[in-house]
Amino acid sequence: EDQVTQSPEALRLQEGESSSLNCSYTVSGLRGLFWYRQDPGKGPEFLFTLYSAGEEKEKERLKATLTKKESFLHITAPKPEDSATYLCAVQTNAGNNRKLIWGLGTSLAVNP
Amino acid sequence: NAGVTQTPKFQVLKTGQSMTLQCAQDMNHEYMSWYRQDPGMGLRLIHYSVGAGITDQGEVPNGYNVSRSTTEDFPLRLLSAAPSQTSVYFCASSYSRGSATNEKLFFGSGTQLSVL
Repeated sequence: EDQVTQSPEALRLQEGESSSLNCSYTVSGLRGLFWYRQDPGKGPEFLFTLYSAGEEKEKERLKATLTKKESFLHITAPKPEDSATYLCAVQTNAGNNRKLIWGLGTSLAVNP
Repeated sequence: NAGVTQTPKFQVLKTGQSMTLQCAQDMNHEYMSWYRQDPGMGLRLIHYSVGAGITDQGEVPNGYNVSRSTTEDFPLRLLSAAPSQTSVYFCASSYSRGSATNEKLFFGSGTQLSVL
């Protein structure tokens, strides 16, 4: 069964304390892996798409990487405004490939 | 551009009532979709559309209807509300057309629905 698991469920960091969020997946064939950010009371906001193992993408303090089994979202020197829930989603090659399999997210809190 | 606009933001229904959640986008996106987000369940696809006049079911379509008469609008109808439909509903759209790739979904701000 296709599955996406995010860890940890929640993470609390001090401002400037770098860390990584994990998204592990077991799917029949990966078409793309997506990272989104969701603020309380709002819809998810797109961050990155990764397509193949070894690919990396960066945006400000965020860097996403992809292997054949997992993706990491690295946060370098985070600021309080980086506090949000980060969602990972996977699109597979099999069946209805408009279906995204979503993880439950990692809730990140960055203290000043 | 306003992006994806959802109304209402909050709604309380009684069991058995019907209602329509509105979704409109002004980005000329072909692909539009409805998700529900529940604690411990993640985002689940209800229905989607790849263009005006074309709709299809997602993972959890039961109890919901959709139609797509224009590119801009994609309303979600609850036929007879049930407590199990208490959730946060998100409309999302993307540039994708024809192909099956869901690149860069743009989400609305959500509708919080409670069914008593």
